Amino acid sequence: GQNIDQPTEMTATEGAIVQINCTYQTSGFNGLFWYQQHAGEAPTFLSYNVLDGLEEKGRFSSFLSRSKGYSYLLLKELQMKDSASYLCAVRDLRAGTGKLIFGQGTTLQVKP
Amino acid sequence: DADVTQTPRNRITKTGKRIMLECSQTKGHDRMYWYRQDPGLGLQLIYYSFDVKDINKGEISDGYSVSRQAQAKFSLSLESAIPNQTALYFCATSDSGGGSNQPQHFGDGTRLSIL
Repeated sequence: GQNIDQPTEMTATEGAIVQINCTYQTSGFNGLFWYQQHAGEAPTFLSYNVLDGLEEKGRFSSFLSRSKGYSYLLLKELQMKDSASYLCAVRDLRAGTGKLIFGQGTTLQVKP
Repeated sequence: DADVTQTPRNRITKTGKRIMLECSQTKGHDRMYWYRQDPGLGLQLIYYSFDVKDINKGEISDGYSVSRQAQAKFSLSLESAIPNQTALYFCATSDSGGGSNQPQHFGDGTRLSIL
């Protein structure tokens, strides 16, 4: 089966750095996605990792270790608008090509 | 204009009513999905379709049905709505071409309340 775990809530200060972790257990791993979702809005795509290592996109970076079943999303120079939920999702070929399994999301609150 | 459009955006209805939520897309994607989102539970897959003649059940399909009327249209129906189907519903699309890194693109959601 599949299992994805993320912390439920995190709080950080404007201008700081925050790391949101995601651990997963799947039988046919084929990529990990991070999405941002503001309250009541659609999830929007942030990053994708399929190979081990770090992918950087501006203030956001995402890391993957397939052997450990672990990923993190790193947000630098936090801004108030970064307050949102961050969803980790895994593509598992055994679950069906193209399907994503989502974690419950981490709600990040950025304080002044 | 949004690439993935859901209608209606909000709906309040009564137990036992039949409801249809519609989704249309202009992205030219072949794959479409319906999710529901409840507080603290993340996104749960209801049904998905990889092309017009393909319909598959997701994790929580009981009480729901779908129709893929065209490549660009995918509707979700609740035949007899019940209060625990109150949730935020999202439609999403993705492209089977271009490799495994193709993300899903979400509509703005339909907030459904069943009294």
